[in-house]
Amino acid sequence: QKEVEQDPGPLSVPEGAIVSLNCTYSNSAFQYFMWYRQYSRKGPELLMYTYSSGNKEDGRFTAQVDKSSKYISLFIRDSQPSDSATYLCASGQNFVFGPGTRLSVLP
Amino acid sequence: DTEVTQTPKHLVMGMTNKKSLKCEQHMGHRAMYWYKQKAKKPPELMFVYSYEKLSINESVPSRFSPECPNSSLLNLHLHALQPEDSALYLCASSPGLTNSNQPQHFGDGTRLSIL
Repeated sequence: QKEVEQDPGPLSVPEGAIVSLNCTYSNSAFQYFMWYRQYSRKGPELLMYTYSSGNKEDGRFTAQVDKSSKYISLFIRDSQPSDSATYLCASGQNFVFGPGTRLSVLP
Repeated sequence: DTEVTQTPKHLVMGMTNKKSLKCEQHMGHRAMYWYKQKAKKPPELMFVYSYEKLSINESVPSRFSPECPNSSLLNLHLHALQPEDSALYLCASSPGLTNSNQPQHFGDGTRLSIL
């Protein structure tokens, strides 16, 4: 079992939709989680960083951690075509990334 | 533009060549990382340096040789690579090691092609 699992998509949504991206992890010792956005031919860009259970909001992005179910989520409100990218979740404990979800936001 | 700068952006080399990838950051970070990323796959950790000392080597073949000359610079020396080594090589840095609550910041990578 991989330590961080993520639905690879691809996921296509219309512009303005709310997007939900999800990851699960297997190691209960994991405490820190990051969400990265990666555009084609670019490096991963840090979007959100969370430590505890609960929600963290930054503009149109909300990161959610549920440690009881080992589930982490990223919500994107009012999605834009510029949000089209691959979204990677990562555990901060051991430098492990999920496989990434490819998102397309259609105008 | 990212705060982690990688050069060159693209590199094509033969299997017998020797080349180096360079990474620089001026954020005062004390941990630096090399990752390898194949197409449509997540980054895979190769090496971690903490305070200029090699902290983690993820069983990387010896044809990849990392070097950390100072706290701002990280090099990856390449020799006798194989075609399967063609990939995007990413450098990252963080204030301290990521497993002590410090997220990583990435450069845009060097796209390496082995002929």
